[in-house]
Amino acid sequence: KQEVTQIPAALSVPEGENLVLNCSFTDSAIYNLQWFRQDPGKGLTSLLLIQSSQREQTSGRLNASLDKSSGRSTLYIAASQPGDSATYLCAVYNFGNEKLTFGTGTRLTIIP
Amino acid sequence: DAEITQSPRHKITETGRQVTLACHQTWNHNNMFWYRQDLGHGLRLIHYSYGVQDTNKGEVSDGYSVSRSNTEDLPLTLESAASSQTSVYFCASSEGGARTDTQYFGPGTRLTVL
Repeated sequence: KQEVTQIPAALSVPEGENLVLNCSFTDSAIYNLQWFRQDPGKGLTSLLLIQSSQREQTSGRLNASLDKSSGRSTLYIAASQPGDSATYLCAVYNFGNEKLTFGTGTRLTIIP
Repeated sequence: DAEITQSPRHKITETGRQVTLACHQTWNHNNMFWYRQDLGHGLRLIHYSYGVQDTNKGEVSDGYSVSRSNTEDLPLTLESAASSQTSVYFCASSEGGARTDTQYFGPGTRLTVL
């Protein structure tokens, strides 16, 4: 059974800093890994999707990497802004399993 | 703009009552999903559909049902609400080409069962 872990559960950093969020998974037989953002009281917004054959994806100040063999992904946020404050979730889609398995998220607070 | 909406946004009901949560998407996506989100558990899949008349059980489907009569809607029904079903419910959709495509989420429905 796939398990997805995100540590730490919460993170606070000053505005302007670069930061890294971590995601680990136990079963490396995945189609893809996705990073989502969730604002309080809102739904999830897809940020980046990395296919299993890819090593990284970039969108603006965000860069996600995938190391399938070690079961790890990181989300790098450059030059953080207060508007980046949210909960970040990663999720993996496994072979033979018709569903996304989500981590419990990292709540990020950017301090102005 | 295409979107996915859920109604109601908040619902309080009593144990034993039947409750239906609505989900409507204008993306014209074939795939639709229902999740619940609880502290400590993350998001868990309840039911999903890959097209009209297709429905499938997810990992926490007991006590829930869905039906898909058109592309746009996938209502979720709680047959006899229980306090354990107090949660935030999210609907999502994705394009039909690949089931692993990006999922687009609705704003959620907060359900309280007293």
